[in-house]
Amino acid sequence: GENVEQHPSTLSVQEGDSAVIKCTYSDSASNYFPWYKQELGKGPQLIIDIRSNVGEKKDQRIAVTLNKTAKHFSLHITETQPEDSAVYFCAAPLESYQLIWGAGTKLIIKP
Amino acid sequence: KAGVTQTPRYLIKTRGQQVTLSCSPISGHRSVSWYQQTPGQGLQFLFEYFSETQRNKGNFPGRFSGRQFSNSRSEMNVSTLELGDSALYLCASKASGVSYNEQFFGPGTRLTVL
Repeated sequence: GENVEQHPSTLSVQEGDSAVIKCTYSDSASNYFPWYKQELGKGPQLIIDIRSNVGEKKDQRIAVTLNKTAKHFSLHITETQPEDSAVYFCAAPLESYQLIWGAGTKLIIKP
Repeated sequence: KAGVTQTPRYLIKTRGQQVTLSCSPISGHRSVSWYQQTPGQGLQFLFEYFSETQRNKGNFPGRFSGRQFSNSRSEMNVSTLELGDSALYLCASKASGVSYNEQFFGPGTRLTVL
């Protein structure tokens, strides 16, 4: 069945630096890859997603890249700010429009 | 537009008891999914309801059940609680059950089983 691996589990970066989180998936037919951000005490919130017909998508300081051949996709955050501190989850599609989720990455922005 | 609400926010129960959690989706959303979140395990899918019917079910024992009402509000029940059921239970709603639309999550119910 589908499997999603997310790395690293914890990432600590200096404010202003870039952060990269990577996920690998197993089902080559997968075609939708969202990233969610979960702040303390809140539920996850969609921050960006990509479909398999494009290789990269940007939204201000965040971007997602997709390598279908290698079956991995990555979240890139540039010019990190304190409000970027959160847990980030990737996901990949299962049947019936459900998602399978990565284990999460705790991003820490050091001042 | 109001977001997804979950009640209660915190619960403490003892082993063997049962618990019911409630979720009110965003107005107009007919799909409600439930997830269990534990440290290091990410989000584990429990089940999805759409128009009062269970559409999908994750790999959880029968002690976990749910239902959806005609106004799309949903409840999740866990019977015969075990220590391992301690977790954050999240519900998420989306407009349609037949596409990869954005899911909108509630803040969760933190369940502690003693």
